[in-house]
This record gives sequence, C-alpha cells and structure tokens, in this order.
Amino acid sequence: SQQGEEDPQALSIQEGENATMNCSYKTSINNLQWYRQNSGRGLVHLILIRSNEREKHSGRLRVTLDTSKKSSSLLITASRAADTASYFCATDLNSGYSTLTFGKGTMLLVSP
Amino acid sequence: EAQVTQNPRYLITVTGKKLTVTCSQNMNHEYMSWYRQDPGLGLRQIYYSMNVEVTDKGDVPEGYKVSRKEKRNFPLILESPSPNQTSLYFCASSPTGLGEKLFFGSGTQLSVL
Repeated sequence: SQQGEEDPQALSIQEGENATMNCSYKTSINNLQWYRQNSGRGLVHLILIRSNEREKHSGRLRVTLDTSKKSSSLLITASRAADTASYFCATDLNSGYSTLTFGKGTMLLVSP
Repeated sequence: EAQVTQNPRYLITVTGKKLTVTCSQNMNHEYMSWYRQDPGLGLRQIYYSMNVEVTDKGDVPEGYKVSRKEKRNFPLILESPSPNQTSLYFCASSPTGLGEKLFFGSGTQLSVL
C-alpha cells in the first residue's frame, strides 16, 4: 500500500536554483529515506533520517522531518543539470520488521 | 564491486510463456526484495525475503513466485505471464531488512505481448 506521497509531481528549474520536494505520509515511521532514479535505472539511496531526527545534511542535500505533521522535505541546493532525475521518498513503517514503502516520486528537470 | 545484478535488462515475451528474472547480490545481505514500477503508481513490492528459505508476500504478489535457496540469489518467476505484468522490475537488497538503505539492481524491462 502507498504510504508516502511526494509533492510536486514534477518540478522544472534552472541550474543554480534550489529544488525542494516534499513527502507526506500517513502512519508512524521508524525512518524515512530519499532515493534518486535516473531515467529507467535503479534507485540510488541518498539519505536516511530517523524518526527522532529533525534535520540531516549530505553535501548539497538537506532533509527535514516533521513527525507531528507526518512530512519530510528534500532540498537540493545549487542544482545542476546532472541532478535531473526522479526523487522518491520511502517510509520504514513502525511494524517490527522492514517493509519499505515508496511514494510515486517527484520528477525534477534542471535546465542549463 | 558491491552490487545487485539483475538479468536480463530487457525481455519481450508472449502471454503464458514461463519466464524467470534472476537477481544476485554479492554483499552477503540477508534481505532481498522485488518491486515493480509502473507509471503513475510508483514502486510496489511484490515479494521479499528476510533470509534463506523465508519469503513473504508484498503488496502485489499475484501472478508471481519467488524462491530463496541461497543467500545471494532471489529469482522472480512468472509461471504464466499476462500483459498486465508488463512493467519495469527491480530487485533490491539490504543487510538485515530492518530499516536500512536498499541497494537496487539496474532493472528489467518486461513486455508481455
């Protein structure tokens, strides 16, 4: 069953601009993860944030988590054309063992 | 190099002809999983395995079979493929399946005519 819901579905920006994607979910989680997918290829893990964390950084990526609002955001700063990809959030439900559930993704287009 | 290897990358078949998509990982991971990806529906889990000889249904298991006879391999079997199984399939693995990041294969694009 779908748990995470990304917003927007598609985002188009210019190189150098920041890109923000949001993810909302419905039930309590152990952690939330963000993945990137280049066209038709396998997903690549970007960052994992645990339910007791509020913010995490990795290079040009910044992820926030608000468990009271059941939402997360992924910020890519100073975007590059190579950031063009689909981005997915995945939630690890608080269910005893892992069933990682993916959202439908945000398609990001960064134009030179 | 640590990786998840899926084969084939592309597969075209006809309705009812049994097929197997192979998946192998070289990281000694206990957890392996199969997903299908369809436009507008995102990734949906088909089956997963927490360890050798232990498999469980995901969200969309109908029409699929899996086996986990060895830790490294987790083949996906379509006994009688139908056109609604046309999709992009991904195998993934993680060390224990307890909330860590997943390592994905490159995908198998399956078309059932």
